[in-house]
Amino acid sequence: AQTVTQSQPEMSVQEAETVTLSCTYDTSESDYYLFWYKQPPSRQMILVIRQEAYKQQNATENRFSVNFQKAAKSFSLKISDSQLGDAAMYFCAYRRPGGSEKLVFGKGTKLTVNP
Amino acid sequence: NAGVTQTPKFQVLKTGQSMTLQCAQDMNHEYMSWYRQDPGMGLRLIHYSVGAGITDQGEVPNGYNVSRSTTEDFPLRLLSAAPSQTSVYFCAVGRGGTGELFFGEGSRLTVL
Repeated sequence: AQTVTQSQPEMSVQEAETVTLSCTYDTSESDYYLFWYKQPPSRQMILVIRQEAYKQQNATENRFSVNFQKAAKSFSLKISDSQLGDAAMYFCAYRRPGGSEKLVFGKGTKLTVNP
Repeated sequence: NAGVTQTPKFQVLKTGQSMTLQCAQDMNHEYMSWYRQDPGMGLRLIHYSVGAGITDQGEVPNGYNVSRSTTEDFPLRLLSAAPSQTSVYFCAVGRGGTGELFFGEGSRLTVL
């Protein structure tokens, strides 16, 4: 079964600085999807960024970018110019291709942004 | 558009009671699912459905029951609540092909 590991239960960053959240996963598939979701204190789950494994180019969404290392099965999230509103739980998730939309989530990283 | 609506947002039950968490969507997506979130455990899949009349088990299905009679609704039933079912529950709806899930706001359930 696929597993997703987030080795950093908590991280902190100064406002305007850059922080990188780590995620590794285990799969025997060659094509799949990876996601980062954000969960602020409001509890709402929000999609931050998505990466398709067959695409070599790393995904970018404004201040959020990923470093996708397929051979190493690593999918880290970089947040640039951190803002107070970035404070949240961040979950890495994996989805295998085809079939249903089932996601396997990591246990999450709590990000604190210090002013 | 409301998107994904979960009710109730908060509920306290006594051990052995039954209840239903409601999930409704107006996005016309085929895939619907229920996750539970526990501290330090991330989100774990309980049950899911790929369309009306079709349901299947996820990672932690025991103690929960689902049905899918319409595209819009996917209720989650607890037939005899246990303290181990104290959790935050999320309904998530999927758009085919992209893998992206759209989540409800969550329902916090406490079983005493």
